[in-house]
Amino acid sequence: EAGVAQSPRYKIIEKRQSVAFWCNPISGHATLYWYQQILGQGPKLLIQFQNNGVVDDSQLPKDRFSAERLKGVDSTLKIQPAKLEDSAVYLCASSFRWGGGKEMNTEAFFGQGTRLTVV
Amino acid sequence: DAKTTQPPSMDCAEGRAANLPCNHSTISGNEYVYWYRQIHSQGPQYIIHGLKNNETNEMASLIITEDRKSSTLILPHATLRDTAVYYCIVRVASGNTGKLIFGQGTTLQVKP
Repeated sequence: EAGVAQSPRYKIIEKRQSVAFWCNPISGHATLYWYQQILGQGPKLLIQFQNNGVVDDSQLPKDRFSAERLKGVDSTLKIQPAKLEDSAVYLCASSFRWGGGKEMNTEAFFGQGTRLTVV
Repeated sequence: DAKTTQPPSMDCAEGRAANLPCNHSTISGNEYVYWYRQIHSQGPQYIIHGLKNNETNEMASLIITEDRKSSTLILPHATLRDTAVYYCIVRVASGNTGKLIFGQGTTLQVKP
């Protein structure tokens, strides 16, 4: 079974530039997550999708970050403009479904992440 | 949201059992305890989860206290490849879906 695919693996940009990350979840997985992981910290949830709808984006800095999941499959996360503090690993994860009842137990699978360095 | 408390680091001798504790004293009745681990430069990997009964799979065992306020992840025979950051997570319900909220985790160092 193919895992969660993310690209690029690494990206270096200057502050105030724009950047986009791409995620292809495991086939059939309805729930998709984007996390930000700053060095030495645990992953921080930025946004969660259920199919192509946003379930939670309370931690997403909406003045500069945006995310979409067209057709409920692939997703892109964009930062515009980037700041130095955005330097982090951006992780994408997916799960079959994450909801009430039996489906609550479905594990989330993570991609390798994209390491962003803003200089 | 229920929070978890874990020791920042632990050491374990190779071949011995690694017991990683987690405190989640504010857990509510319908929240599950999940464990993930993250090996350097990789994404987190699911290990095990449970509600109130002890659970075991090919990777580990999860022991949850009767009052559900704490749990222990047990790696029965730790190897060098088990060196990683281990996250204990209480699954938070958000509307009709749940989300995984990570804390700082425990860095487990398995030593030869």
